[in-house]
Amino acid sequence: QLQLQESGPGLVKPSETLSLTCTVSGGSISSSSYYWGWIRQPPGKGLEWIGSIYYSGSTYYNPSLKSRVTISVDTSKNQFSLKLSSVTAADTAVYYCARTNWADAFDIWGQGTMVTVSS
Amino acid sequence: EIVLTQSPGTLSLSPGERATLSCRASQSVSSSYLAWYQQKPGQAPRLLIYGASSRATGIPDRFSGSGSGTDFTLTISRLEPEDFAVYYCQQYGSSLHTFGQGTKLEIK
Repeated sequence: QLQLQESGPGLVKPSETLSLTCTVSGGSISSSSYYWGWIRQPPGKGLEWIGSIYYSGSTYYNPSLKSRVTISVDTSKNQFSLKLSSVTAADTAVYYCARTNWADAFDIWGQGTMVTVSS
Repeated sequence: EIVLTQSPGTLSLSPGERATLSCRASQSVSSSYLAWYQQKPGQAPRLLIYGASSRATGIPDRFSGSGSGTDFTLTISRLEPEDFAVYYCQQYGSSLHTFGQGTKLEIK
């Protein structure tokens, strides 16, 4: 069945750029039915949507993060990626990738990856 | 931006009891775009309900969702030990997804 797996550095220095990749297996990222998104969760806190992308490259972002976020897709590798620039300690969180179904609900999630921002 | 407010913050119940969780939106939400998730410690959230009332694949029928407009409810008819977790509602509108702050369902 479809699985998502996040990968990337677990430690990023303040002011640098956080970069994560989500690899989709067991299905194609190029399916016309779905968007693919990033969500994060600071330790002990709730969920925050970061942004989403369609296989064509069309994106939409959380306005609160838009100036620092870039999400891209590589259909040849069945992957999509997140870049978050100028990070601070407030960006420390578990970062999840997820698929969005037709009802705009996140129906399949990766296991999440913890990213700590610290010097 | 639509703000979702969940209540109560914490709900203490015993196995076998009925749980009723509330999600209130700051403005009207399309029922098609209201979802509920369950999250256990150290795990990713799991989709329970989408479209306000449709159960996701593999979700037991003791979980049900209802509501419209600004008021939505997740009901667990008879709590099982594995149901004690944190629950989030989520909505999509105007190209923006937002989540509620969560309700922790704990064993009494």
